[in-house]
Amino acid sequence: GIQVEQSPPDLILQEGANSTLRCNFSDSVNNLQWFHQNPWGQLINLFYIPSGTKQNGRLSATTVATERYSLLYISSSQTTDSGVYFCAVGEDSWGKFQFGAGTQVVVTP
Amino acid sequence: SQTIHQWPATLVQPVGSPLSLECTVEGTSNPNLYWYRQAAGRGLQLLFYSVGIGQISSEVPQNLSASRPQDRQFILSSKKLLLSDSGFYLCAWSIPGQGNEKLFFGSGTQLSVL
Repeated sequence: GIQVEQSPPDLILQEGANSTLRCNFSDSVNNLQWFHQNPWGQLINLFYIPSGTKQNGRLSATTVATERYSLLYISSSQTTDSGVYFCAVGEDSWGKFQFGAGTQVVVTP
Repeated sequence: SQTIHQWPATLVQPVGSPLSLECTVEGTSNPNLYWYRQAAGRGLQLLFYSVGIGQISSEVPQNLSASRPQDRQFILSSKKLLLSDSGFYLCAWSIPGQGNEKLFFGSGTQLSVL
């Protein structure tokens, strides 16, 4: 099956800092999504982004499908950005997803 | 709008006891349904997925089973729990399409097997 690698595994930021999270995948995908898991375990869908660039407030994401990677940008980080960020890719047409191991982000005041 | 309900939120069960976790989706029909498990640490492991009533595919051989008795209901079960079944169980759904499905998660069940 497809392999998904996320980096870095852990990230500590001071409030207000910017950061970039990376997701590499081993094969062509037709679906790529980014999620945020808050400290209470809830997973929130941030972006559906199989290619191109999208922005939502202080978050933006870029996927370069031909080079098999995606980036999630956090700008002006806030303590509420803390949690684990997951990248998930879909390799089948019906919607079966493979998750990366995640990046643990801690934003300190 | 669509919503997903998952219960219970926490569960403590003795080894060897049965398990039943339930998940229901509202506001959509014929969704794809999923059960994931997240062990201590991080990664999400796909356990089961379903594209329709009575259609269940298993990803990982294990002590668990899944059923879909109704279109928007997905149940995770075990006849006898093992210590290794402890973890955070997440139900998810997506709308079937041409690979452009967004995945939405329930709030999860923290299962502790003692």
